Amino acid sequence: AQKITQTQPGMFVQEKEAVTLDCTYDTSDQSYGLFWYKQPSSGEMIFLIYQGSYDEQNATEGRYSLNFQKARKSANLVISASQLGDSAMYFCAMDNPWAGTALIFGKGTTLSVSS
Amino acid sequence: GAGVSQSPSNKVTEKGKDVELRCDPISGHTALYWYRQSLGQGLEFLIYFQGNSAPDKSGLPSDRFSAERTGGSVSTLTIQRTQQEDSAVYLCASSWGQGAGNTIYFGEGSWLTVV
Repeated sequence: AQKITQTQPGMFVQEKEAVTLDCTYDTSDQSYGLFWYKQPSSGEMIFLIYQGSYDEQNATEGRYSLNFQKARKSANLVISASQLGDSAMYFCAMDNPWAGTALIFGKGTTLSVSS
Repeated sequence: GAGVSQSPSNKVTEKGKDVELRCDPISGHTALYWYRQSLGQGLEFLIYFQGNSAPDKSGLPSDRFSAERTGGSVSTLTIQRTQQEDSAVYLCASSWGQGAGNTIYFGEGSWLTVV
């Protein structure tokens, strides 16, 4: 069975600093997709970044990058130059569309950015 | 519509009553997902549809929960004989399909309170 683990319930960072949110996953499949979503206090789920298991380059989207280490089964999210608006809950997620399994989520990490 | 639409946005019901939650996905999206999120918790996968069929309904917590999708569009999640532990936000999401990083877009959720 697939599983996503986020071990940091809360993280604190100051504005303009970089922060890494940890995510490890467990799957026996060779093909899968990894995602990060942001959920602010308003409750909406905002897609941030995607990494395919066969992608050799780490995904980047603006200030977000995904540090993909396949052998270690980790997919950490790096946010550079944190902003106050980055304060939110962050979820790591994984799917395996080729096996027909839907997106499953970790328990999330709450990020608090202070000035 | 422009985004995933869910109704009702808020529902308070008495224990033992049945409730129906509706999801209208983004036009043209073939994949539709239901998740449940309790306060401050991660997303619990319930069921997903590809077209009108449900390849993965492994997350439905009990036989009181059922879902259907008709015409490859609107989906209804039904909870029979509601219990207090059913209180949560029920999130619906849709995507063009699965795989290759098809971004999954979420609705704003239906907040269910069972009293």
